[in-house]
Amino acid sequence: DADVTQTPRNRITKTGKRIMLECSQTKGHDRMYWYRQDPGLGLRLIYYSFDVKDINKGEISDGYSVSRQAQAKFSLSLESAIPNQTALYFCATSAGTEKLFFGSGTQLSVL
Amino acid sequence: GENVEQHPSTLSVQEGDSAVIKCTYSDSASNYFPWYKQELGKRPQLIIDIRSNVGEKKDQRIAVTLNKTAKHFSLHITETQPEDSAVYFCAASMRGDYKLSFGAGTTVTVRA
Repeated sequence: DADVTQTPRNRITKTGKRIMLECSQTKGHDRMYWYRQDPGLGLRLIYYSFDVKDINKGEISDGYSVSRQAQAKFSLSLESAIPNQTALYFCATSAGTEKLFFGSGTQLSVL
Repeated sequence: GENVEQHPSTLSVQEGDSAVIKCTYSDSASNYFPWYKQELGKRPQLIIDIRSNVGEKKDQRIAVTLNKTAKHFSLHITETQPEDSAVYFCAASMRGDYKLSFGAGTTVTVRA
């Protein structure tokens, strides 16, 4: 089945470390998104991309960067991780409508 | 940007009873309102959505209503079952924006 795959599923890192979360999709969708989920705050948009040459900031982009390496790949980087970036991170895709298909998520803990 | 508020944050219902979750949005230009369900340890998945040109949409035991004048929309689940236990998120999107702004979520627990 066509899917959205995130790696790693879980990651524990230390303050100040650089880490990368990866997302790949076999749905053939042009649009890709990174959201973070925190209890009581819902899902907040970090970055989004509508095609390979398009990168846009979301509502909480500070401290994050992204790279759209190909139509199917969209990675999220934390240049210098801090404890308040501990969260559940979701990649999502869409096919030109507002309907999102989410990946399985990456639980990140920054100590 | 769009601001979506969701209430209540937690909801406990007896199996077979109804559950209602309410959301308000701030931008009158928003025209698309989906609801996502996230079961424990799983990814969010779309369960129903509505556009601003209709006032109500039903799909079996779930329904969504929209009041554009008041800028609020609601999810109704009838005859609740244990498998309805999950976190539910409302969201809103403006025409042509293709970005969703989510509410904070409602944790629904269905008691047997």
